[in-house]
Amino acid sequence: EVQLVESGGGLVQPGRSLRLSCVASGFTFDDYAMHWVRRAPGKGLEWVSGISWNSGSVGYADSVKGRITVSRDNVRNSLSLQLTSLRVEDTAFYYCARSSAALYHDPTTSLEWGQGTLVTVSS
Amino acid sequence: QSVVTQPPSASGTPGQRVTMSCSGSRSNIGGNPVNWYQQVPGTAPKLLIYGDDQRPSGVPDRFSGSKSGSSASLAISGLQSGDEADFYCAAWDDSLNAWVFGGGTKLTV
Repeated sequence: EVQLVESGGGLVQPGRSLRLSCVASGFTFDDYAMHWVRRAPGKGLEWVSGISWNSGSVGYADSVKGRITVSRDNVRNSLSLQLTSLRVEDTAFYYCARSSAALYHDPTTSLEWGQGTLVTVSS
Repeated sequence: QSVVTQPPSASGTPGQRVTMSCSGSRSNIGGNPVNWYQQVPGTAPKLLIYGDDQRPSGVPDRFSGSKSGSSASLAISGLQSGDEADFYCAAWDDSLNAWVFGGGTKLTV
């Protein structure tokens, strides 16, 4: 069974940085691409980032480009997200999701999701 | 504003059939497989349909997906109160080089 456990959420001041982590189990981590998707309060799902199985390709949404770094550790079966210069509009549940494919940009991909971690950006 | 459009709400009574639409363009819905996700309030999203019309194991056959051109649809038959959720379509966008989600449809039973 695929298990994805996110951590690192909480209350952060505008302009500061945060780092989220996701630990995976129940599957061979380095066979699959991984993604971060968020849902802001009262809004819909928004893809944030994807990283291919070997970190060879990484993609970011325009809304976070320049402020985000996503990486993975295939030894520790973990995925991380670092977001800087936080804005109020970054407030959201952040979900870690496993792709069904090795490349994050594979159009045939579907996602299995973790439970999410809440990030609140407020002074 | 998402490049993929879904009606914000849909409703039906128990036992009824309801459909919801997802409209995009050739670069996303029209050119790539569509997935549908269900998010029950307070829980994580769950894959409902992949590859336009395929159901993962464990998803009841009351749920079905279809696509024509740059529009996709999700149909739910035999509506149950437990089906109340937000439903999202998603696809890869070849122009944006990004995954795009529709704005979501809130289903009320």
